[in-house]
Amino acid sequence: DAMVIQNPRYQVTQFGKPVTLSCSQTLNHNVMYWYQQKSSQAPKLLFHYYDKDFNNEADTPDNFQSRRPNTSFCFLDIRSPGLGDAAMYLCATSRDHRANEQFFGPGTRLTVL
Amino acid sequence: AQTVTQSQPEMSVQEAETVTLSCTYDTSESDYYLFWYKQPPSRQMILVIRQEAYKQQNATENRFSVNFQKAAKSFSLKISDSQLGDAAMYFCAYYSGGSNYKLTFGKGTLLTVNP
Repeated sequence: DAMVIQNPRYQVTQFGKPVTLSCSQTLNHNVMYWYQQKSSQAPKLLFHYYDKDFNNEADTPDNFQSRRPNTSFCFLDIRSPGLGDAAMYLCATSRDHRANEQFFGPGTRLTVL
Repeated sequence: AQTVTQSQPEMSVQEAETVTLSCTYDTSESDYYLFWYKQPPSRQMILVIRQEAYKQQNATENRFSVNFQKAAKSFSLKISDSQLGDAAMYFCAYYSGGSNYKLTFGKGTLLTVNP
């Protein structure tokens, strides 16, 4: 089945130690999104790629970076994780910028020690 | 900026009963889309139902239906014949070109289904 896959599902890192989260999709969608979701809160969009065009949200900290080497894969890099970055990170895709459904991955739960 | 408000942090319903989750939004645009997403505990978020603002007819998907009141900027979700598997966090979301093509989520309503 076509899907959005996130690896790992659980990630533990140390304060200040860089970490990379991975997202892949078999839907061949043009748009890929990264959201941060803290406990009992709504997802907050960090940035998204439309094809190779990167779109950063104005309030996304510089500590968060992203790469999309090809259509299928997108990575979230946290350069120096702080305790406040502990959260669920959700990857989502959509076919294009029109209001098509966004398909979400299962998320990666990040713990910062 | 668009805002989405879900005024019910938690709701509960008895199995087989009907429950309505509320959502209001604020926008100056006329063309937009509204969604209800479901996020079960420790599971991924899935789309429940979608409504295009230009459509007057309320969307329906099996046991899920919406009451879309465009003038009042209200978009409630009705779940009929509630099942244990309906227990989840439900997010109302808004989308338009004017929102820079991103979903704006409400804070969510946690639905508990009692057997």
